Amino acid sequence: AQSVTQPDIHITVSEGASLELRCNYSYGATPYLFWYVQSPGQGLQLLLKYFSGDTLVQGIKGFEAEFKRSQSSFNLRKPSVHWSDAAEYFCAVGTNTGNQFYFGTGTSLTVIP
Amino acid sequence: EPEVTQTPSHQVTQMGQEVILRCVPISNHLYFYWYRQILGQKVEFLVSFYNNEISEKSEIFDDQFSVERPDGSNFTLKIRSTKLEDSAMYFCASSRGTLLGNTIYFGEGSWLTVV
Repeated sequence: AQSVTQPDIHITVSEGASLELRCNYSYGATPYLFWYVQSPGQGLQLLLKYFSGDTLVQGIKGFEAEFKRSQSSFNLRKPSVHWSDAAEYFCAVGTNTGNQFYFGTGTSLTVIP
Repeated sequence: EPEVTQTPSHQVTQMGQEVILRCVPISNHLYFYWYRQILGQKVEFLVSFYNNEISEKSEIFDDQFSVERPDGSNFTLKIRSTKLEDSAMYFCASSRGTLLGNTIYFGEGSWLTVV
C-alpha cells in the first residue's frame, strides 16, 4: 500500500539558515512525488513535483527536492530560509494507477529571527 | 493566479445534522476532488469527480457522503448525518487533467466541527 512518512512533526530554524524537510514514501512502482505548502489561512500550494527524469527538481520560492530511489526519499531543501517560509509542509505521493494523492502528516516550520 | 474557493471557512454542526460544503473550482478545470484532514492526522483522499460522475473514491467515502456539481461552477460535498468523527478540515481541489502532468489546485479548506 502507498504511504508517506514525514518524520519531523515540527522544525524550528533561524532565518537565513538552511532547511531540509524529510519525506519517505512507500510505493511499489515509480512514484509521482509532490511537496505542498500551507500558510495560515491559505490553501495547499504546490511547491514542486517529480514525475521522472532529473532526480533534483527545482520548485517555487527557492525550494528544491531530491528523489532518491534507494532511500525511498524525497527530501525538501532550501539553502536560506526566510521568515515568510513559516508554514505547514506536506509531502505527497501520487500513483500511476489512479488520480489521488497520499499525503504525509505534515511538518510545521517555525522561523525565528 | 486562479484559485479554488471554499465556503464556509468554518462550520459547527450538531451530530446527526446534514452539512453541505461548497467549492468553486477553477473555471476551466475538469477534475474535482475532496480531501479531508482530521486534526493531527494525514490529509486523506475522499473522492474524485470527472465528467459528472465519481471517478474514484476511498473507503472513507461511504453512503453518508455524496458529491454533486449542481451547475457549471459549484462542486459540493454533502454529509447526510454527521458524526463526531467527521470533524475535520475538508479541502476541495481541481485540475485541468489527471494528476500526471497537471497541477492540482487546492482551496483554503472548510473546517467542520461536529458537536
